[in-house]
Amino acid sequence: EDQVTQSPEALRLQEGESSSLNCSYTVSGLRGLFWYRQDPGKGPEFLFTLYSAGEEKEKERLKATLTKKESFLHITAPKPEDSATYLCAVQAIGTYKYIFGTGTRLKVLA
Amino acid sequence: NAGVTQTPKFQVLKTGQSMTLQCAQDMNHEYMSWYRQDPGMGLRLIHYSVGAGITDQGEVPNGYNVSRSTTEDFPLRLLSAAPSQTSVYFCASSRDRVGETQYFGPGTRLLVL
Repeated sequence: EDQVTQSPEALRLQEGESSSLNCSYTVSGLRGLFWYRQDPGKGPEFLFTLYSAGEEKEKERLKATLTKKESFLHITAPKPEDSATYLCAVQAIGTYKYIFGTGTRLKVLA
Repeated sequence: NAGVTQTPKFQVLKTGQSMTLQCAQDMNHEYMSWYRQDPGMGLRLIHYSVGAGITDQGEVPNGYNVSRSTTEDFPLRLLSAAPSQTSVYFCASSRDRVGETQYFGPGTRLLVL
């Protein structure tokens, strides 16, 4: 069964304290892995799409990486405005469904 | 472009009532989907559509119906609301059915009493 697990569930960082969020996935074949940011009361907002192991994408303080079993979202020198829930999703080969993890709630303290 | 729009933003229903949650996109996207989001459970797929006239079930389809008569619209119907359907509902769309980023609407918060 296709599955996505995110860790940690919650993370508190001081401003400037870099860290990483993890997304582990189990699929028969990966078509794509997607990272989203969700602010309270809003819909998820797209961050990155990764398709193959070894691929990396960067945007401002965020960098996403992908291996055959997991993806990491690295946050470098975070700011309070990076506080949000970060969601990971996968789409497996042979299906049109997207499966989401339960997310990591990030709080960055000034 | 307005992107993905959803109406209403908030709705209160009594048990047994029916209603339709509206979703529309103006990006000519092929793929559309409905999710519900509950605390601690993440986003769970209810139904999805890979094009006009084509729909299929997701992870939690019971109690919900969908149809897709046009590319733009993908309404979600609750046939007989139950308290277990209290949730936040998100509609999403993507350009293609495979390997594409989904764009989400702002959500509908539903409370069933």
